[in-house]
Amino acid sequence: DTEVTQTPKHLVMGMTNKKSLKCEQHMGHRAMYWYKQKAKKPPELMFVYSYEKLSINESVPSRFSPECPNSSLLNLHLHALQPEDSALYLCASSQDPEGTYGYTFGSGTRLTVV
Amino acid sequence: QKEVEQNSGPLSVPEGAIASLNCTYSDRGSQSFFWYRQYSGKSPELIMFIYSNGDKEDGRFTAQLNKASQYVSLLIRDSQPSDSATYLCAVNLGRVRDNLFFGTGTRLTVIP
Repeated sequence: DTEVTQTPKHLVMGMTNKKSLKCEQHMGHRAMYWYKQKAKKPPELMFVYSYEKLSINESVPSRFSPECPNSSLLNLHLHALQPEDSALYLCASSQDPEGTYGYTFGSGTRLTVV
Repeated sequence: QKEVEQNSGPLSVPEGAIASLNCTYSDRGSQSFFWYRQYSGKSPELIMFIYSNGDKEDGRFTAQLNKASQYVSLLIRDSQPSDSATYLCAVNLGRVRDNLFFGTGTRLTVIP
């Protein structure tokens, strides 16, 4: 298995909703990442989990809450989002925490906040 | 100064031609270098990586690295319309925190 699986692929949510994005990999990768990507921009790092511990938090608003239940799973809990949070949310993993061999990205969740 | 710089394009080449994509980086401690292809609305896909100075070839793709000049490039030979995408250059600093930096991407269009 050489994939990172993300669900759902599309999500529309209201500003008062609570939802979660899920990410799964079975490659034995030791680091997992959440990225946010707006149209025509490169991915922006949100969170890094290294050996299941939150390594850095790039000053992301608290309405985004990451969780890493085990080495294969990564969740992103969403609450009280704003329309400007609409974007493609990407999960990625890397074989080592230094990302030496690059990242493998999931197919993403297209989030629309209404 | 940005960590990784790319010409945003758009770059247009005719089908069958060579497409040349360029990237410069600022941190001399950079250790590994990646090219990702991203189709519109899709996620980035790793197509090439290179660690050592020189050329690395994989099918129609060749990555070139010059650490002295802090320059990495991607050549696509016999360009096909299916190569039309945004190409993201990414540079790895080999550390746990903030280890991967992306350029803004170059949009490539291959004209049939």
